[in-house]
Amino acid sequence: DSGVTQTPKHLITATGQRVTLRCSPRSGDLSVYWYQQSLDQGLQFLIQYYNGEERAKGNILERFSAQQFPDLHSELNLSSLELGDSALYFCASSAGTQKNIQYFGAGTRLSVL
Amino acid sequence: ELKVEQNPLFLSMQEGKNYTIYCNYSTTSDRLYWYRQDPGKSLESLFVLLSNGAVKQEGRLMASLDTKARLSTLHITAAVHDLSATYFCAVALSGYALNFGKGTSLLVTP
Repeated sequence: DSGVTQTPKHLITATGQRVTLRCSPRSGDLSVYWYQQSLDQGLQFLIQYYNGEERAKGNILERFSAQQFPDLHSELNLSSLELGDSALYFCASSAGTQKNIQYFGAGTRLSVL
Repeated sequence: ELKVEQNPLFLSMQEGKNYTIYCNYSTTSDRLYWYRQDPGKSLESLFVLLSNGAVKQEGRLMASLDTKARLSTLHITAAVHDLSATYFCAVALSGYALNFGKGTSLLVTP
């Protein structure tokens, strides 16, 4: 168990809908990262937050947004969903030390029908 | 754009054999990571390599880093079935976000 909690584990929805994925980082970790894993794109970095502030952006679509709350949990919002958004979404957290190892949650599997 | 290339992408090997997975990356980075992913599961951190010449070993796995060649290797010694998984290398971008390779799917057979 990495200590990173993601909910829900599975999500099935329809095209055009909006969903919210939730992540609770390991205790004490200030950084939260979101990644998308799909067969065709592999593992792609979406966005990073550090202590409530956006730190870095990757290949995140404009239809997607995220935030980190004062209690450090994070949410990834996906809107106007398309079939191609079906993927496994991982959250990771890190302590920001020199090694900065990222610990990954179990992921949320999103299926857009 | 930072590119991370792993090879091979698929590897079937017999138990007891040795093999090496290669990870090349295109721009300078001061952190390289190896992760393991079992089917349908999350990613588990194996190694972090921080400097040129760094070598880390855990059980039958050994990782090394050559920053001048922009190359990391993951060496498997005397493979066992439990090592069957997908192995990813990842290079840290600015802000510490990770750029992953496509992964090497390893199958160890009797």
